[in-house]
Amino acid sequence: AQSVTQLDSHVSVSEGTPVLLRCNYSSSYSPSLFWYVQHPNKGLQLLLKYTSAATLVKGINGFEAEFKKSETSFHLTKPSAHMSDAAEYFCVVSDLGAGNMLTFGGGTRLMVKP
Amino acid sequence: NAGVTQTPKFQVLKTGQSMTLQCAQDMNHNSMYWYRQDPGMGLRLIYYSASEGTTDKGEVPNGYNVSRLNKREFSLRLESAAPSQTSVYFCASRPGPNQPQHFGDGTRLSIL
Repeated sequence: AQSVTQLDSHVSVSEGTPVLLRCNYSSSYSPSLFWYVQHPNKGLQLLLKYTSAATLVKGINGFEAEFKKSETSFHLTKPSAHMSDAAEYFCVVSDLGAGNMLTFGGGTRLMVKP
Repeated sequence: NAGVTQTPKFQVLKTGQSMTLQCAQDMNHNSMYWYRQDPGMGLRLIYYSASEGTTDKGEVPNGYNVSRLNKREFSLRLESAAPSQTSVYFCASRPGPNQPQHFGDGTRLSIL
């Protein structure tokens, strides 16, 4: 069975400082991994995806994530936070064993201080 | 492009009332999904339709029914609403397996 754990429910950073949102996954197959962002009262927007190509994945708005199989991790980073990055972020796993269904982490709320 | 459109955006119901949430996508996607979002629990799959003419249960199907009306539309019905169904409901679609899902803006449903 697949599962996702987002290690921090809330992360607070100052504008201009780096962002790190942590995600660990469990999967019996070669997984696909995604990060989505959700702004208040909005749906989820895809930030980036990993589907067994390059382990360092670049996404929109300066975000990137690195797939580390040995650590079963897929952490999301950004070098410099912007006020507009304040939102909730979801790490998501999908694998063949679950019929390619998505399993969501519990979410990490990112707060950006001026 | 509209993408995935959900109606209504907000709704308040009394316990025992029925309600249908509508979802339509204009991207010619094969698969469509209904999720509920509750605080601290991410999104949980209620029902999905892998292709037109098929529907299957997800993780939390009890109390819900779905209809894949055609390739564009996938509706979710609450026959007898309960307070435990107070949630934000999201519809999503994707072209095929292992492709990212595209989400609507959600329906905020409160049941008193």
